[in-house]
Amino acid sequence: NAGVTQTPKFRILKIGQSMTLQCTQDMNHNYMYWYRQDPGMGLKLIYYSVGAGITDKGEVPNGYNVSRSTTEDFPLRLELAAPSQTSVYFCASSRQGAYEQYFGPGTRLTVT
Amino acid sequence: AQSVTQLGSHVSVSEGALVLLRCNYSSSVPPYLFWYVQYPNQGLQLLLKYTTGATLVKGINGFEAEFKKSETSFHLTKPSAHMSDAAEYFCAVRANTGGFKTIFGAGTRLFVKA
Repeated sequence: NAGVTQTPKFRILKIGQSMTLQCTQDMNHNYMYWYRQDPGMGLKLIYYSVGAGITDKGEVPNGYNVSRSTTEDFPLRLELAAPSQTSVYFCASSRQGAYEQYFGPGTRLTVT
Repeated sequence: AQSVTQLGSHVSVSEGALVLLRCNYSSSVPPYLFWYVQYPNQGLQLLLKYTTGATLVKGINGFEAEFKKSETSFHLTKPSAHMSDAAEYFCAVRANTGGFKTIFGAGTRLFVKA
């Protein structure tokens, strides 16, 4: 099992550009999550999904969108990138009924 | 609602010394509690978890934590630090009444001196 994979690892965007962060898991987990991690702030939930076709907002959804067309994939879309979106983004997944989350290696995004 | 407070953003210990990372939580319902570890440039990985039952839980790499309801604490310990333990550690809480939302603490970076 590859677990949770994320691409790209690093990206620099100019203000106003858009991009999609990719996330794939091969553990057949129903639940998937997107977090952002800022220094000294822990992890903040952006969006989550409890299954294909079902998504909902987390704590900090503004400026982001998601879709979940398959169990495996959960891409995060940034529209009109802003410097405040400079962060490290983590995708995670968990089994329905289980408690711990499995994390991808992260995407480090800089918006200048 | 749940919240987590990790006391100390940085902790430094000598190799071979006791590691103690403090975590206090707030939860209106019985919690599930977790410790995750993050090595440089990697994602988080589960170190240990408390759900129900025995309040002293053992995890990977010799770490353990004790759930103390009266103190609302879930401190992480390891008897003897190793250089490879240098990482950032996150305490997290989740309600046991269903749902899935996990609240993470701000993290504690552990430094291990030779």
